[in-house]
Amino acid sequence: DVKVTQSSRYLVKRTGEKVFLECVQDMDHENMFWYRQDPGLGLRLIYFSYDVKMKEKGDIPEGYSVSREKKERFSLILESASTNQTSMYLCASSIQNSGNTIYFGEGSWLTVV
Amino acid sequence: SQQGEEDPQALSIQEGENATMNCSYKTSINNLQWYRQNSGRGLVHLILIRSNEREKHSGRLRVTLDTSKKSSSLLITASRAADTASYFCAGLVNDYKLSFGAGTTVTVRA
Repeated sequence: DVKVTQSSRYLVKRTGEKVFLECVQDMDHENMFWYRQDPGLGLRLIYFSYDVKMKEKGDIPEGYSVSREKKERFSLILESASTNQTSMYLCASSIQNSGNTIYFGEGSWLTVV
Repeated sequence: SQQGEEDPQALSIQEGENATMNCSYKTSINNLQWYRQNSGRGLVHLILIRSNEREKHSGRLRVTLDTSKKSSSLLITASRAADTASYFCAGLVNDYKLSFGAGTTVTVRA
């Protein structure tokens, strides 16, 4: 089974802190994603990566950056956390150009106070 | 921007009944997928229907797709308490990008 592991399930950070959310997948998938999920808004794509060191902006990239130094790892970075970034963050991966299933991690609940 | 919009937003049914939820989307899609999310967990893929398909079955799930109306439906037959979850449709708008709706929350009463 594909496994997408997010390193932290629950985090509480202070406004202005730099926050790292880590994600690792074990199926050699080319594509990796970071989504944010908020009530009533569904999932919104923050960033996408289709290869090592490659990234593309999603629908809501402002306030976020990403890093993909190794194929299996995709990190989401909040340079200076703000309270409106309190949310659930979901990492996902998929095979490149397959148009098929995306596999999700269990999510990271981030609270910024 | 959201691609899919699910209807209804919430659904409460008795165990054994069927649950039907609908999804409308805005732009052309390559395929449409349905995902399930248990409370506080990640999303799990349920079923994928390609743009040239009209209906697909998987166990107790039946999905339809009407590209002329830009809509899809998910039917869960003979529902169980374990089907209680949120269900999301997602349209594949290019090679990689899935665009999700806000979801339908289904509660199955024992």
